[in-house]
Order: sequence, then structure tokens, then C-alpha cells
Amino acid sequence: KAGVTQTPRYLIKTRGQQVTLSCSPISGHRSVSWYQQTPGQGLQFLFEYFSETQRNKGNFPGRFSGRQFSNSRSEMNVSTLELGDSALYLCASKRASGEQYFGPGTRLTVT
Amino acid sequence: GQQVMQIPQYQHVQEGEDFTTYCNSSTTLSNIQWYKQRPGGHPVFLIQLVKSGEVKKQKRLTFQFGEAKKNSSLHITATQTTDVGTYFCAKGGNTGNQFYFGTGTSLTVIP
Repeated sequence: KAGVTQTPRYLIKTRGQQVTLSCSPISGHRSVSWYQQTPGQGLQFLFEYFSETQRNKGNFPGRFSGRQFSNSRSEMNVSTLELGDSALYLCASKRASGEQYFGPGTRLTVT
Repeated sequence: GQQVMQIPQYQHVQEGEDFTTYCNSSTTLSNIQWYKQRPGGHPVFLIQLVKSGEVKKQKRLTFQFGEAKKNSSLHITATQTTDVGTYFCAKGGNTGNQFYFGTGTSLTVIP
């Protein structure tokens, strides 16, 4: 089976812009979670989608949003980018038994 | 909150020595997962523990879940240079569908 794919792998944006990141889960996995990883805050849960519905949301401002499509692919959007949004954004595809399989991540740099 | 404390934050060992990282929570955990992230890589799922007092082994790795389900540990016997990376525990949230990661333990193995 192909693993989790994320696009793009790298992004450079300026403050105030918005960005959309994409994640394709492992075939057959219906749950997709997003995480933000920074050196200072570590790995933080953003949100989780299952069958096109957001089931859980972490403690992030409303500028962070996401969605999931009928084929389980997911996107996350960050609007009005701030310098502090620079991070590695990881997508994880989850089996029903709970194991999460992470994609390679998107490295976002906000200047 | 949802923070999971891990100790130590850093560990340097000589190749062949043992290594242990501990994960502690102030609340009872429904389950706990362990991940390894190599430098420049993404988290890779290692194991999930669900039962009180559970012990699971994977070659040189031993995972334990405390009797009170408030702590967990990962022990590596006779470390090798391939064990280098950051080891994270992750606790399941209230619904079991979201996971909150610990602060991580960065392991350096000196050949």
C-alpha cells in the first residue's frame, strides 16, 4: 500500500497570506488528523476528520480550518498567516484500531 | 490540560548501554501510543498499549503501561546507532479519536 502523501513538501509565504495544505491518506483509512510541530511547542493536535466530518478539534484559533472529501483526502487551510505559524504540518492517517501513520509533512515558513 | 510529560528531555548514551524514557499523566489514560521520529523525518508508530500493567516487546524495545494507567515507559536494551531519534508517547483524548503527544525524549547514541 502507498503511504500517506502530503503536498506541497515546502512552502514559503508572507505574513497575512493564506495557505492550503493537502493530505492523501492510506487507501481504506477514513480518519485523518493534522498536527503542527514546532521546536518550542512540540507536536500539537490540530483536528481530526472522519467521513468528511470534523470529529475533534485542538486548541488552535479559527484561522486554522480543514475539510475532508468523500475520497478521504483532506486539506487544511491557514488564513492570515503569522510568523508563529512557521512549522512542520503533519498529516496522519489512522486505522480503526488507532495506529496513526504519518506523512512526510509540509514545511511552512512564514516571512 | 492535555499535556503529557516525558522525561528525560535528552539522553546521551554509549552504544550498547540501555535507555529508558518515561511518560507521565495526571489523569488516567484510556490508551497510550509510542512513536519514533528520526532527525528530519516524521513520527513512525511503534506500539499501542491499552490494558493496565500491559508489557509488550519488540526485539530490543520493551513497552510498559502502568497499573494505574497513568504512566508508561519505553526501554531499549543495548542501544545501537540506528536507535537515534526522538521518542514520543501520545495519549488518547476523551473520544479516543484524537491524540496528544508528549514532549518527547531525544536519544543520541555515541558509537
